[in-house]
Amino acid sequence: SYVLTQPPSVSVAPGQTARITCGGNNIGSKSVHWYQQKPGQAPVLVVYDDSDRPSGIPERFSGSNSGNTATLTISRVEAGDEADYYCQVWDSSSDHRGVFGGGTKLTVL
Amino acid sequence: EVQLVESGGGLVQPGRSLRLSCAASGFTFDDYAMHWVRQAPGKGLEWVSGISWNSGSIGYADSVKGRFTISRDNAKNSLYLQMNSLRAEDTALYYCAKAQWHGTLSAFDIWGQGTMVTVSS
Repeated sequence: SYVLTQPPSVSVAPGQTARITCGGNNIGSKSVHWYQQKPGQAPVLVVYDDSDRPSGIPERFSGSNSGNTATLTISRVEAGDEADYYCQVWDSSSDHRGVFGGGTKLTVL
Repeated sequence: EVQLVESGGGLVQPGRSLRLSCAASGFTFDDYAMHWVRQAPGKGLEWVSGISWNSGSIGYADSVKGRFTISRDNAKNSLYLQMNSLRAEDTALYYCAKAQWHGTLSAFDIWGQGTMVTVSS
């Protein structure tokens, strides 16, 4: 089955740029979606199809995907961005099952 | 307002069954695929199952295949998950999630608040 690998944690100072990676075999050939989950809340879609943003998501959130790594970039990080972030793809090699990365805890210092 | 409200969770003994429901409102339910995603306490997200707009395409995670059955009633704007032969490792918060498109292979753009399932004797 397809595996997505995320770093357990990323720390960044306010105003700086946070980059959260999601590794997978030839992930560049797949569409990657990113979700933000704050404590006690349901996940929220922040980037879909590698780099598109749903309405209402700030432009500070952006995504890229190439080769074996997809990246969620959060510019000008704010305290309110502190959350868990998950990447997600569809694994076409196994009957189109959904796959999530293990999640990355973003800490704003 | 687009909304998904899950219900049906609770405490159940191993080996027993439970049926979860998800009531949708604020959008044209039968235009979109729907999914169940779960999260064990303190753990990450796990996709459980998905169903296309017309129930023509259905998928399950290996961990639940053969035990869980997803279904939908477009006339009632409702999604269901029948869970049989429950195990301790099925203990989790179960989220109902709306797909962006009618097919199953898209992002989850709307999530409910979840219903908790605890499997324990």
